[in-house]
Amino acid sequence: NAGVTQTPKFRILKIGQSMTLQCTQDMNHNYMYWYRQDPGMGLKLIYYSVGAGITDKGEVPNGYNVSRSTTEDFPLRLELAAPSQTSVYFCASILADEAFFGQGTRLTVV
Amino acid sequence: AQSVSQHNHHVILSEAASLELGCNYSYGGTVNLFWYVQYPGQHLQLLLKYFSGDPLVKGIKGFEAEFIKSKFSFNLRKPSVQWSDTAEYFCAAFSYSSASKIIFGSGTRLSIRP
Repeated sequence: NAGVTQTPKFRILKIGQSMTLQCTQDMNHNYMYWYRQDPGMGLKLIYYSVGAGITDKGEVPNGYNVSRSTTEDFPLRLELAAPSQTSVYFCASILADEAFFGQGTRLTVV
Repeated sequence: AQSVSQHNHHVILSEAASLELGCNYSYGGTVNLFWYVQYPGQHLQLLLKYFSGDPLVKGIKGFEAEFIKSKFSFNLRKPSVQWSDTAEYFCAAFSYSSASKIIFGSGTRLSIRP
């Protein structure tokens, strides 16, 4: 049981490049989330999903896209990377009484 | 709108001092509450959680929190802190009946002087 797995752990992008942050959970959780964490700002919700085929915007969705074709996977897509997207990204899933977090992806856009 | 507020942005204590970090939430319906800790360079780890029952919740590493419904609060406490408690602490709330979003507070940075 691996929990929530995020890849990659680190990435440097140039402005305008695109990339996908991968998130996979093996706990059969319906609820999954993407957050970004910036110093002194806590965690801001980007997108979330309550089940396969269902996604919705969080607080800061601009510049990102998600898909949820399976229960296990919830990738986050950056189409045109901007310096403002430099952050640490966390994926999470929740079931009943606990939320599980991935290890995080540190993304730098230069 | 749902929200979670943490009033203390940075708390500095000496070892063996007592700790209380404030957390207030604004949620409709039944709410589940969490405290997470993030040590430098690491991901979030669950300290404790409240779903129902006894409003005084005990977690790992000697932490506890009290759910006070009338005050919409879920403050984190520890009787005697250690240098190893230096970290950032996040309060979070979740409700299946309120759009199923986990909302986090802005975090409290705790620094412990040896």
